[in-house]
Amino acid sequence: DIQMTQSPSSLSASVGDRVTVTCRASQAIRNHLAWYQQKPGKPPRLLIYAATALQRGVPSRFRGGESGTDFTLTITGLQPEDVAIYYCQGYNGARSWTFGEGTKVDIK
Amino acid sequence: EAELVESGGGVVQPGGSLRLSCAVSGFNFGDYDMHWVRQPIGKGLEWVANVGIFGDTFYSDSVKGRFVIYRESAKNSLHLQMDSLRAGDTAVYYCVRGVSVAAEPFDLWGRGTLVAVSS
Repeated sequence: DIQMTQSPSSLSASVGDRVTVTCRASQAIRNHLAWYQQKPGKPPRLLIYAATALQRGVPSRFRGGESGTDFTLTITGLQPEDVAIYYCQGYNGARSWTFGEGTKVDIK
Repeated sequence: EAELVESGGGVVQPGGSLRLSCAVSGFNFGDYDMHWVRQPIGKGLEWVANVGIFGDTFYSDSVKGRFVIYRESAKNSLHLQMDSLRAGDTAVYYCVRGVSVAAEPFDLWGRGTLVAVSS
C-alpha cells in the first residue's frame, strides 16, 4: 500500500497570507491525489482532485500542485473560514486509498 | 439535493457485531462507487471499504475478513456488516460517494455514525 506523508502537522498564519501544505507519496501515483478540508464537527469536503483540478464550488484561492511524488495544497490569501484540518488522499490505481495524517491550519 | 444518511452505530462489546446502513437520496445510486471511511475521535481518516457499481468489493487490510460492504439497490441503501469487532474499530464511520475521475475522489459524505467497541 502507498504511504502518504503530510507536512507540516500544524501551522499558524495571518489573514491574507499564502499557506502551503505538502504531501509526499511513497511511490509514483501519477496525478491520483485529492485534498480535503475538515472543519470541527463536520465531515470532510473535497477541494482538489486529480492533483490540480478544483472541485466545483471551491474558492479559487485554493490551488493544487504536483512534482513527481510531491504534491502541494496552496491557499493564496488565507481567510478566517479556512481554519480547518486539511488531508491529502492518494489512490494506488488498484482500489486502495490512503489519507495523509492531516495538517491543522489556524489563524495567528 | 444529494444526501447520505448513516445509521446503526452504537456501543458493542469486543468480538461483537454491528451493521451500519446508509440511506442514499438525490442521485442515481447505481451510477456510483460507494465507500465507508472511518475516523477515530480526534484522529485522522482511514478508508475502510469500497463497493463498485457491479457489486465488486475491496477492503483495507485492517478490516479484511471481518467487514463486508454491500449495496441494496432496490432500497437505495449501502451497508457495512462488521463482525469480530475490536477496540481499534472505535470511530465515526462515514458513508461516502466516489466519482470516476483521476484519483477516484470522494465527493459526497454523510454526517457519520459513531461506533464504540468497549466492554
